[in-house]
Amino acid sequence: QKEVEQNSGPLSVPEGAIASLNCTYSDRGSQSFFWYRQYSGKSPELIMSIYSNGDKEDGRFTAQLNKASQYVSLLIRDSQPSDSATYLCAAEKGAAGNKLTFGGGTRVLVKP
Amino acid sequence: EAQVTQNPRYLITVTGKKLTVTCSQNMNHEYMSWYRQDPGLGLRQIYYSMNVEVTDKGDVPEGYKVSRKEKRNFPLILESPSPNQTSLYFCASSLGGLANEKLFFGSGTQLSVL
Repeated sequence: QKEVEQNSGPLSVPEGAIASLNCTYSDRGSQSFFWYRQYSGKSPELIMSIYSNGDKEDGRFTAQLNKASQYVSLLIRDSQPSDSATYLCAAEKGAAGNKLTFGGGTRVLVKP
Repeated sequence: EAQVTQNPRYLITVTGKKLTVTCSQNMNHEYMSWYRQDPGLGLRQIYYSMNVEVTDKGDVPEGYKVSRKEKRNFPLILESPSPNQTSLYFCASSLGGLANEKLFFGSGTQLSVL
């Protein structure tokens, strides 16, 4: 079992709709979780971080964390063609939180 | 401009020929790390460094070496590259530990080992 698992996609979403991305993790000791966006041929960039159970909103993005279920999700509202990218879920681990484990990524395609 | 600079951007080499990929950051960051990215496997951590002269293994350290003699530089060394090290490599840095810090990534180095 991978430590952080994501559906590879592609997740095809019409423009203006909500894209829902899911991620599960295996290490119950993980406390910090991140969503990175990676455009094709580019490096990852952080879009959201979440540390507590519940929802965290930032613009069109909402991250959700459920530690009991070991589940992290990302919602993208009003999806735009510019949101077409691969979204990487990551969980910190290690006694001092110095390691970051990434999932394989979910490819999102927003169709005009 | 605040950035993480990796060189080279592309590298083709042959099995067994030692190589170094350089990484430098100009943000005075404490933490630096190397990742490799392979299709379907996501980013996997190779090595990381919390500060000068402090390095530690990530999840896939075999076949790699690193050093942190200066705060800004964190080179990745492949003493005897093999074809299974063909991959896209990213260097990243953050101000402190990862728990609450954003990772800044370099542009990547596409390595092919023939």
